[in-house]
Amino acid sequence: AQSVTQLGSHVSVSEGALVLLRCNYSSSVPPYLFWYVQYPNQGLQLLLKYTSAATLVKGINGFEAEFKKSETSFHLTKPSAHMSDAAEYFCAVRELGGSQGNLIFGKGTKLSVKP
Amino acid sequence: DVKVTQSSRYLVKRTGEKVFLECVQDMDHENMFWYRQDPGLGLRLIYFSYDVKMKEKGDIPEGYSVSREKKERFSLILESASTNQTSMYLCASSQSRGSYNEQFFGPGTRLTVL
Repeated sequence: AQSVTQLGSHVSVSEGALVLLRCNYSSSVPPYLFWYVQYPNQGLQLLLKYTSAATLVKGINGFEAEFKKSETSFHLTKPSAHMSDAAEYFCAVRELGGSQGNLIFGKGTKLSVKP
Repeated sequence: DVKVTQSSRYLVKRTGEKVFLECVQDMDHENMFWYRQDPGLGLRLIYFSYDVKMKEKGDIPEGYSVSREKKERFSLILESASTNQTSMYLCASSQSRGSYNEQFFGPGTRLTVL
């Protein structure tokens, strides 16, 4: 069965520091992968998606993620954290089979940014 | 832009009440989903629908039902609310064909059952 693992339920960085949020997936075929962000008391917003066109994917707000098949990883990075990046981040993989495209979500990583 | 709206941002109900959570999307998406979100548990799929009048159970359907009479509207029903259904409820929609199935989310309804 497919699964998504996000390492670290909480990550804290200083403003201006590198942000690295880890995501590993299990899938027997090349997957579609997504990163979502959730600000407090809001719904999820799509940050970026991997659809096999390019292994390095750029998203909104300066975030990017690199698909590494050999490591089954899709880690999210941002060179310089901003206070406004404080939020919860979810990695997801599209479930195999069917046309309705269910997503399997990781449990989320809460990012704190210290001034 | 896709817009998914939910009928209430905050809702307080009493144990045993029947609760309706409404979700509407304006992009003619075939697929619609209901999740609940709890700290440390991430998003858990309650029900989903890929067509009008169609519904499928997700991972945690017990205590819930759904209705999809029109393509743009997907309702979640708590037949008899209980305190363990206090949670954040998120609705999402996605396109079936010609897309990568990314889901678009509403703002969420924070339900408290007393």
